[in-house]
Amino acid sequence: KNEVEQSPQNLTAQEGEFITINCSYSVGISALHWLQQHPGGGIVSLFMLSSGKKKHGRLIATINIQEKHSSLHITASHPRDSAVYICAAYSDSWGKLQFGAGTQVVVTP
Amino acid sequence: NAGVTQTPKFQVLKTGQSMTLQCAQDMNHEYMSWYRQDPGMGLRLIHYSVGAGITDQGEVPNGYNVSRSTTEDFPLRLLSAAPSQTSVYFCASSYQTNYEQYFGPGTRLTVT
Repeated sequence: KNEVEQSPQNLTAQEGEFITINCSYSVGISALHWLQQHPGGGIVSLFMLSSGKKKHGRLIATINIQEKHSSLHITASHPRDSAVYICAAYSDSWGKLQFGAGTQVVVTP
Repeated sequence: NAGVTQTPKFQVLKTGQSMTLQCAQDMNHEYMSWYRQDPGMGLRLIHYSVGAGITDQGEVPNGYNVSRSTTEDFPLRLLSAAPSQTSVYFCASSYQTNYEQYFGPGTRLTVT
């Protein structure tokens, strides 16, 4: 069983739609990361958060520590948002980052 | 800053061959790590290092060796390549284990 679960696995949206990706984890964590992997393969860090909410442009990440759950929202989605989005969580009990399997997002014009 | 660099970008090996994947960073990060990425699976940690001279195993270390003689470099050695090691390999670095991760561009390895 994965310690970090993401849903959905795949998501297709039309340009302009609001997108939500979910991430849940099994133990108390000290930080959660959201990463983006473009079709070319490179991975970039979008957010690192331990509580509340962070916003960068059209991307919003939230975390609920009690529920052991985080969401990544994309507002007014655009075809250039097409990518794999990966969440990763760090817990002292693991001593390392645990990664979700990723969510493939396709935004059509 | 160049960030995290990896070489080569692509490599094809025959079963039993050995090779070294290179990783370097110029951000003075203490923490460096190697991951492999396979279809349908999340990134899996192979080996990591919390500083020069210190390395430790991740969740899938078998068949791989690492060393960290300098802060900048963290090479990954495949001792005797097997088809099961066909994968995309990413090197990453961060200030500390739980800080923002910076990834290299990846190496696509095929073992025939």
